[in-house]
Amino acid sequence: SAVISQKPSRDICQRGTSLTIQCQVDSQVTMMFWYRQQPGQSLTLIATANQGSEATYESGFVIDKFPISRPNLTFSTLTVSNMSPEDSSIYLCSVGVGTRYNEQFFGPGTRLTVL
Amino acid sequence: AQSVTQLGSHVSVSEGALVLLRCNYSSSVPPYLFWYVQYPNQGLQLLLKYTTGATLVKGINGFEAEFKTSETSFHLTKPSAHMSDAAEYFCAVSGGSNYKLTFGKGTLLTVNP
Repeated sequence: SAVISQKPSRDICQRGTSLTIQCQVDSQVTMMFWYRQQPGQSLTLIATANQGSEATYESGFVIDKFPISRPNLTFSTLTVSNMSPEDSSIYLCSVGVGTRYNEQFFGPGTRLTVL
Repeated sequence: AQSVTQLGSHVSVSEGALVLLRCNYSSSVPPYLFWYVQYPNQGLQLLLKYTTGATLVKGINGFEAEFKTSETSFHLTKPSAHMSDAAEYFCAVSGGSNYKLTFGKGTLLTVNP
């Protein structure tokens, strides 16, 4: 297993601003993932972040809106840019472990409200 | 392609009663299946997983699930519900070389005293 922390735990932001969310893991991991959970909804994968390579984005998500950094094997950031109220969600990072990286452990999430 | 269907967005049981949360999956390759639980204002916690081997999988907090290929199901059960089981439960699938998890829409479990 892995212990994952996220900062901030919650934030209220103004329309048009940007917020960077940090994800810290207590061990070195290859695969990290960023998800969005809109109010009352399930989780949607935003992107996969491998250390040393560009993040891979899912359909409907673009790098200009959600730039991701992965500077080392224990840390990643997700920026939500030029925010609108529709970006109000919980953003979660996870790490993939196991031979196929598909056993994922999740951070506590960042609850974002955009006014 | 993979998909997950969770039947019932809300399940309500009495304390001490059987908990049954339904999950059906679709996968073109042998699936890996997971159940996660999300307590209010928290992240997701892995309850149990099926990868290979025994089809009856036991997890934390007394939960178990059975992988049934013939029914493409992975239903979650617990013999006796406790108040602390009240949470949202998500079923997820991945498969083959695809490490990405596809989540169901979730089932909110309410436990009544």
